[in-house]
Amino acid sequence: EAAVTQSPRSKVAVTGGKVTLSCHQTNNHDYMYWYRQDTGHGLRLIHYSYVADSTEKGDIPDGYKASRPSQENFSLILELASLSQTAVYFCASSEKGTGNERLFFGHGTKLSVL
Amino acid sequence: GDQVEQSPSALSLHEGTDSALRCNFTTTMRSVQWFRQNSRGSLISLFYLASGTKENGRLKSAFDSKERRYSTLHIRDAQLEDSGTYFCAAEAGGGSGNKLIFGTGTLLSVKP
Repeated sequence: EAAVTQSPRSKVAVTGGKVTLSCHQTNNHDYMYWYRQDTGHGLRLIHYSYVADSTEKGDIPDGYKASRPSQENFSLILELASLSQTAVYFCASSEKGTGNERLFFGHGTKLSVL
Repeated sequence: GDQVEQSPSALSLHEGTDSALRCNFTTTMRSVQWFRQNSRGSLISLFYLASGTKENGRLKSAFDSKERRYSTLHIRDAQLEDSGTYFCAAEAGGGSGNKLIFGTGTLLSVKP
């Protein structure tokens, strides 16, 4: 089974501080994604990447940066954390063009900005 | 923009009963996926469909192959462990950048 690992599992940050969320996948997938989930809502795409050293903006990229240093690793960076960025963040990976493009998620990172 | 509308928003079932969840799309979609989120928050992939139907145990999903504007998830003989929030997510394709659009979920409670 596919494996996507996120760290940390939870984090408390102060407003204006820098936060880095990390994601590692062992699926040999080209595509990786960062989503956020707010209480009682579905997931919204922040950034994604389809190849190492390249990232793309998703639907809500403002206030976030992403980094894909290798196929296995994909980070989400909040340079100046704000209260509105309190949410659960999910990383995911998938393989494109195979006819079975299921999305595999990590366990999520609960971020609280105070 | 493109929208994914899930119904119902919440559902309560007794063990052993059957039900169906539905997702409607405001535009033609290339593919659809279904996920279950458990009480710990983990998201589990159930199905990926580019067309037709797929079945796995007591779960069966269908994707409208003609207009590609809705999908259903059928639950047969519901069990307690089926409880959770079910999300569908659809990919518009074309100029969408292969991005998934998630519905807002159906909270399913299965009771003895």
